[in-house]
Amino acid sequence: DSGVTQTPKHLITATGQRVTLRCSPRSGDLSVYWYQQSLDQGLQFLIQYYNGEERAKGNILERFSAQQFPDLHSELNLSSLELGDSALYFCASSAPGGRNEQFFGPGTRLTVL
Amino acid sequence: EDQVTQSPEALRLQEGESSSLNCSYTVSGLRGLFWYRQDPGKGPEFLFTLYSAGEEKEKERLKATLTKKESFLHITAPKPEDSATYLCAVQADTGNQFYFGTGTSLTVIP
Repeated sequence: DSGVTQTPKHLITATGQRVTLRCSPRSGDLSVYWYQQSLDQGLQFLIQYYNGEERAKGNILERFSAQQFPDLHSELNLSSLELGDSALYFCASSAPGGRNEQFFGPGTRLTVL
Repeated sequence: EDQVTQSPEALRLQEGESSSLNCSYTVSGLRGLFWYRQDPGKGPEFLFTLYSAGEEKEKERLKATLTKKESFLHITAPKPEDSATYLCAVQADTGNQFYFGTGTSLTVIP
């Protein structure tokens, strides 16, 4: 158990819909990262937040957005969902201090029908 | 273009048969190279971070090394419980982005 929690575990929805994935980092960690993992593309970095501020951006689609709240939990919002958005979505957190060793949550499996 | 390539894609070893996994990378400036282990349907588990060429880290049967263009994960006398997918990732100096390879799927046969 890494100490990172993600909800929900599974999510099934339809094309065109909007969903919100939630992540709570390990106690004391200020950074939160979001990743998408699909069978054909591996683990893709989406975005990083540090203490509420956006720190780095990867290949995140415009239909996706994220934020980190004052209590440091983070949410990833996915809208206008397409079949190709079906994937495992992981959140990770890391401690302050620049080492960037990430600890991953158990993931949310999103299925878009 | 920054990228990470891992080889082989899959590896089957007999228990006790040592081997190495490769991670080659091209990145404008390397802030850190990370190794993770991932079991099916679970989140990646952190193993090692390497920061500069020549650095080595060890943990039980695993040893990671780093050169200017690649990293190796050496597995000595593996056991069936070492079966997993091993992922390599690099963090670029510019933009703070992380790039993951597609992993090596390791199967250790008793």
